[in-house]
Amino acid sequence: DAKTTQPTSMDCAEGRAANLPCNHSTISGNEYVYWYRQIHSQGPQYIIHGLKNNETNEMASLIITEDRKSSTLILPHATLRDTAVYYCIVRVVGGSARQLTFGSGTQLTVLP
Amino acid sequence: DVKVTQSSRYLVKRTGEKVFLECVQDMDHENMFWYRQDPGLGLRLIYFSYDVKMKEKGDIPEGYSVSREKKERFSLILESASTNQTSMYLCASSSGDNSGNTIYFGEGSWLTVV
Repeated sequence: DAKTTQPTSMDCAEGRAANLPCNHSTISGNEYVYWYRQIHSQGPQYIIHGLKNNETNEMASLIITEDRKSSTLILPHATLRDTAVYYCIVRVVGGSARQLTFGSGTQLTVLP
Repeated sequence: DVKVTQSSRYLVKRTGEKVFLECVQDMDHENMFWYRQDPGLGLRLIYFSYDVKMKEKGDIPEGYSVSREKKERFSLILESASTNQTSMYLCASSSGDNSGNTIYFGEGSWLTVV
């Protein structure tokens, strides 16, 4: 699976949009972009995934650039409960589970 | 919503004890996984199963075994617990089709071996 690069940490004011970037310049055509988050002491929580079109669900929006070399996760109205480590992962759909590799992620801190 | 339930959140066991970690998923998923997560090492796959009674070794299977007698249940067994198995253990599941086959995780089980 392609490697991803994320900023180590970010802050966001409560109620504002949180925009979390991810670079995946070596992504291949059959790899999806997945986002998970992990709140301290809990298991990773799935947020959203996409291939090349922008995606939106009840939690977030995912914007993927046209060349697919980077993406942005958007939490439209961040709350204190959104404070977590956010992981951007690229993986082949149908690929073996061993290919789910979590990098260091971005520590998002939502400030009151 | 997908629900992956791990039976114990926090356990303390003695060296040499046999430890069972149970996991149940309610989405009729074919695939189930056990990972451990340690600071600085990320998530490491221990075992996974793509069908009842089927299992495959992950990256770090030594010291562990698994059991999948029913589709919804996947158990991790530490035959003789050791202190280096102190960790957070994560169970996960996914569907077997190609609709993104998103992997969903349980809340984790914190195991301390003393």
